[in-house]
Amino acid sequence: KNEVEQSPQNLTAQEGEFITINCSYSVGISALHWLQQHPGGGIVSLFMLSSGKKKHGRLIATINIQEKHSSLHITASHPRDSAVYICAVRSGAGSYQLTFGKGTKLSVIP
Amino acid sequence: DAMVIQNPRYQVTQFGKPVTLSCSQTLNHNVMYWYQQKSSQAPKLLFHYYDKDFNNEADTPDNFQSRRPNTSFCFLDIRSPGLGDAAMYLCATSPRLAGGNEKLFFGSGTQLSVL
Repeated sequence: KNEVEQSPQNLTAQEGEFITINCSYSVGISALHWLQQHPGGGIVSLFMLSSGKKKHGRLIATINIQEKHSSLHITASHPRDSAVYICAVRSGAGSYQLTFGKGTKLSVIP
Repeated sequence: DAMVIQNPRYQVTQFGKPVTLSCSQTLNHNVMYWYQQKSSQAPKLLFHYYDKDFNNEADTPDNFQSRRPNTSFCFLDIRSPGLGDAAMYLCATSPRLAGGNEKLFFGSGTQLSVL
């Protein structure tokens, strides 16, 4: 079974700061998802990665397959970025199951 | 425009009274998933449909059932809700099941309260 660890568990930042959230997993994967969940809200899929790096607006996601590690970066953070960010991995080709991390709660203060 | 729509946004039911949550999608995706997310926990997969094929996770209680009458709609039925079933229920879709490179599209969730 894949173990997914996220750090930090909680993060408070000042508006405008550069933010990094980390995700490590224990077993080789076919894809890694970064998800965003606002308080009381549903989940929005931010990125799906199997290698390299992706960028969307102020969000950047990277993955290092050899090190079994991914990072989510937010540049010029804004209070509307306050949410829980969840890393989820799909283990192996043909697997439909996602293993979720426990999430990182981000609070961006004006 | 919402592509995966869940109704209602909030649902209150009584202990033991059957309740149905609904999910619809405009993406024409083959696969629809139902997840349960309790407070401060990661989502847990209950079951999924690949087209009309129903797949139940081994640890999903019998109290939870699902129906998919057509590609667009999927329902979650809780036959006799208990207090422990209070949670956010999330519906998600993907174009295909296998391969590992399928992006998931989530609905906004239904928050279920059991009184």
